Amino acid sequence: QKEVEQDPGPLSVPEGAIVSLNCTYSNSAFQYFMWYRQYSRKGPELLMYTYSSGNKEDGRFTAQVDKSSKYISLFIRDSQPSDSATYLCAIGGGSNYKLTFGKGTLLTVNP
Amino acid sequence: DGGITQSPKYLFRKEGQNVTLSCEQNLNHDAMYWYRQDPGQGLRLIYYSQIVNDFQKGDIAEGYSVSREKKESFPLTVTSAQKNPTAFYLCASKAGWNEQFFGPGTRLTVL
Repeated sequence: QKEVEQDPGPLSVPEGAIVSLNCTYSNSAFQYFMWYRQYSRKGPELLMYTYSSGNKEDGRFTAQVDKSSKYISLFIRDSQPSDSATYLCAIGGGSNYKLTFGKGTLLTVNP
Repeated sequence: DGGITQSPKYLFRKEGQNVTLSCEQNLNHDAMYWYRQDPGQGLRLIYYSQIVNDFQKGDIAEGYSVSREKKESFPLTVTSAQKNPTAFYLCASKAGWNEQFFGPGTRLTVL
């Protein structure tokens, strides 16, 4: 079983839709959970960061962590064409300071 | 402006050639990382450095070398021993516990 699994999509939604992006992980020692947004041919940009179970909201974005199920989600409300990008989950923990990344989900928001 | 810079943006390598990718940060971060990204793949860790004059191999270090002589700089050399070097290379530095911030990337192509 891979450490982090993420559905690669692609995911295509109309403008204004609610988008749900998900990752599962296998190692219960993971403590830190991040979501990155990557536009084509650019470096990833940190969107959300959390270290506890529950929800964290920032504008139209909500990160959700369920440690008991080893499941993390990113919700995007009122999606915009500018949200079209690849979204990467990243998970870390322990003392090795490394992150493990999902393969990314390609999202297209159609006007 | 604080941030991470990578140069060049595009790099072409002939067979048997060594090439060096530059990564500079003015964020005063101790830890720096090099990743490789291939289409449909997540980010794979090549090398990382938690402090000046120290670095560790990541998951795919074969055919690569690094140095960390200054806090601000973490150059990556792709040697001729790397048999499939065509990829998008990303440098990152770390703030706090685990948040990593990325540069814009260098796209390396073997001719």
